[in-house]
Amino acid sequence: NAGVTQTPKFQVLKTGQSMTLQCAQDMNHNSMYWYRQDPGMGLRLIYYSASEGTTDKGEVPNGYNVSRLNKREFSLRLESAAPSQTSVYFCASSVEVRHNEKLFFGSGTQLSVL
Amino acid sequence: AQKITQTQPGMFVQEKEAVTLDCTYDTSDPSYGLFWYKQPSSGEMIFLIYQGSYDQQNATEGRYSLNFQKARKSANLVISASQLGDSAMYFCAMRERGAQKLVFGQGTRLTINP
Repeated sequence: NAGVTQTPKFQVLKTGQSMTLQCAQDMNHNSMYWYRQDPGMGLRLIYYSASEGTTDKGEVPNGYNVSRLNKREFSLRLESAAPSQTSVYFCASSVEVRHNEKLFFGSGTQLSVL
Repeated sequence: AQKITQTQPGMFVQEKEAVTLDCTYDTSDPSYGLFWYKQPSSGEMIFLIYQGSYDQQNATEGRYSLNFQKARKSANLVISASQLGDSAMYFCAMRERGAQKLVFGQGTRLTINP
């Protein structure tokens, strides 16, 4: 019963390096999300995908790109990492419950950009 | 304007006592959902409880209940008979109908003392 799986759990990058955070869910959910969590700011939405083949910007999309590879997978790419992108990243997927969405989160990726 | 407000940055409670974590929200949408998540020190986000704006009764899930006061725009989480394992960050969140974004409060760090 894996739920939402994110990789890697930890990553250290140098400024300017690129990397891709991977996310997969096995619950057959249509919607998937990428959030970042910074101290004192709660979680903020970076990008989301309402269904396979569609992606949309959230609150803080600058510096990121996403790919909804198929229904299961939703990846987040940093093309040129900056220290301001040091954060904890969460992937989530959702299912509609009584006319609203219930989110399931992955375990997070702690990213440090030096 | 802050949509979700959690006024308690930290709380300390004796084991076995009940604890109430405060959450107020702001929306003009009549249809919305309210969520509580737990984030232990390991980092993952764990869904606890959900309340829909049209639900007639307060939501309950085991030891968790949501004290939903719609007129006051309040959605406090009540944990009965607290346990040491309840020590964690707790986030209140809201999603308006038709909005893709789940908006989070800044969280309350709960510490259960033996």
